[in-house]
Amino acid sequence: DGGITQSPKYLFRKEGQNVTLSCEQNLNHDAMYWYRQDPGQGLRLIYYSQIVNDFQKGDIAEGYSVSREKKESFPLTVTSAQKNPTAFYLCASSSETGGTVQPQHFGDGTRLSIL
Amino acid sequence: KNQVEQSPQSLIILEGKNCTLQCNYTVSPFSNLRWYKQDTGRGPVSLTIMTFSENTKSNGRYTATLDADTKQSSLHITASQLSDSASYICVVRVHSGGYQKVTFGTGTKLQVIP
Repeated sequence: DGGITQSPKYLFRKEGQNVTLSCEQNLNHDAMYWYRQDPGQGLRLIYYSQIVNDFQKGDIAEGYSVSREKKESFPLTVTSAQKNPTAFYLCASSSETGGTVQPQHFGDGTRLSIL
Repeated sequence: KNQVEQSPQSLIILEGKNCTLQCNYTVSPFSNLRWYKQDTGRGPVSLTIMTFSENTKSNGRYTATLDADTKQSSLHITASQLSDSASYICVVRVHSGGYQKVTFGTGTKLQVIP
């Protein structure tokens, strides 16, 4: 079955450390997204990519970086510059492109916590 | 103030009962509205999507309605089951010329009890 795979499911970060969250999709979707989910808040867009080797900042990109070297993969790095990284991170994809369209499929998330 | 507001924040109902969740939005110009179901610790799953011209859309026991004039949507769940326990998220897309934005509501947490 096609879908989005996020790994790991749980991740712990030490102070000053960069960590990378993996997102792989086999839906052949062009657009991919990273969202952050905090309790009591709606999902917030971190980065999105509409095509290989291209990506755009979302609403809360500071302290994060991404790459899109392959259509199937869109990893997110949480850098040490992100001072409040504890959250649930969701990767998503869409067959539509043309800006921040609504994601059609989500992965099952990575929960990041600070040690 | 969030531009997509959902109510109630949380809800507990007995198995087999019906319930209705509300979504009010202020963003414009409206393009479409989508409802997602999110189980605890999982990613959201799309239930329905409605454009401006659609005022109702069903997916099994889930029926979404849209009133684009009053900027209100509702999600009605019929004959609830324990597996309906989840958060339900309303998402509104605006689209005008080259400008697009997607705004997520904060969700309604539904608990169905035996």
